[in-house]
Amino acid sequence: DTEVTQTPKHLVMGMTNKKSLKCEQHMGHRAMYWYKQKAKKPPELMFVYSYEKLSINESVPSRFSPECPNSSLLNLHLHALQPEDSALYLCASSQGRQGRETQYFGPGTRLLVL
Amino acid sequence: AQSVTQPDIHITVSEGASLELRCNYSYGATPYLFWYVQSPGQGLQLLLKYFSGDTLVQGIKGFEAEFKRSQSSFNLRKPSVHWSDAAEYFCAVGLETGRRALTFGSGTRLQVQP
Repeated sequence: DTEVTQTPKHLVMGMTNKKSLKCEQHMGHRAMYWYKQKAKKPPELMFVYSYEKLSINESVPSRFSPECPNSSLLNLHLHALQPEDSALYLCASSQGRQGRETQYFGPGTRLLVL
Repeated sequence: AQSVTQPDIHITVSEGASLELRCNYSYGATPYLFWYVQSPGQGLQLLLKYFSGDTLVQGIKGFEAEFKRSQSSFNLRKPSVHWSDAAEYFCAVGLETGRRALTFGSGTRLQVQP
């Protein structure tokens, strides 16, 4: 099974709201990722967790706060977002030696910030 | 720095016709290469990958790709396209050292005419 699940599928929030995106995988993968994807663009890396520790933060604004409570779960906490943060947020996981690992993506959460 | 180029932003083919999507990479060593497909509003699905060995790799849904070191290319092919193949296709590169993240090409949108 190569499934990564994400909830919710869709989210609408105001600029003063606090919300969270959730990602889950049960493949035993030890690396997990958050990507942001705008329409007609490739995914942009936001964060990488390796063995539950944050290993890459691509200079993401602090209004996005990642969390990895355990090896199967990855959250993205959202606070005081801007309309330009509206996008598809993708989670992925992988296992294996760097470079040779295959990233498996979830279906994404479509976020609209009003 | 490594880069991935997909020269064709948009391709239209007739159903039943053959397809070739181009991907060129720039990287000093042998990269690890991937093709992903994304249907509208969905996550990315892995079509195939190349790590080493046989330079012609087979993937899901009848797709194949050929790694050509001399041309720094990893083109995706399908002998007969189906209407359900209409989607966005991304080529990506993984690296053995440095940043643990995929570098994506800008994508090619495939439209299939009946």
